Amino acid sequence: SAVISQKPSRDICQRGTSLTIQCQVDSQVTMMFWYRQQPGQSLTLIATANQGSEATYESGFVIDKFPISRPNLTFSTLTVSNLSPEDSSIYLCSVAGGREQFFGPGTRLTVL
Amino acid sequence: KQEVTQIPAALSVPEGENLVLNCSFTDSAIYNLQWFRQDPGKGLTSLLLIQSSQREQTSGRLNASLDKSSGRSTLYIAASQPGDSATYLCAVQIVYNFNKFYFGSGTKLNVKP
Repeated sequence: SAVISQKPSRDICQRGTSLTIQCQVDSQVTMMFWYRQQPGQSLTLIATANQGSEATYESGFVIDKFPISRPNLTFSTLTVSNLSPEDSSIYLCSVAGGREQFFGPGTRLTVL
Repeated sequence: KQEVTQIPAALSVPEGENLVLNCSFTDSAIYNLQWFRQDPGKGLTSLLLIQSSQREQTSGRLNASLDKSSGRSTLYIAASQPGDSATYLCAVQIVYNFNKFYFGSGTKLNVKP
């Protein structure tokens, strides 16, 4: 299994600012995944982050809004840029360990 | 495209009842199916993983079954407890793209003392 930590656990941000979320894994993994969970909804995949290459974004998500860094095999960041109230969600990072998927505790973002 | 549906969306039962949560998927070419639990405002905790070659998995009071041909999985919770109250999500991993997990919308369970 993998142990994943995220920082911050929650934040309240002003419209127009940006928030960077950090994800740290206790083991080296090839791929890390970033998800968004809007209030009352299920998870939507934002992008897949490979070490040493550009992240792969899902339909509806763009790099300018959600830039991702993956500097090594245990760490990734997701930035949510130019915040609006519609960005208020829980953001989760995850890794796939063999067949199983593991999740971090999530970052709850509220945009005022 | 794989579509994952969970029924019911919400369920309220008295403590001690046995209950079944349902998950259905449209494309039977799955690699895995995984059940998760999510407490309010928290991340996801993995409960059970069923590989495509398996028909069921058990962990304590939980039993998950998989029927690929009919595109269905069930999560059976025996002797429910108030601590089981949470949202339960199923996720499917397909053989065409191991990196993509398709999530259902979840079943919100409330177990009343």
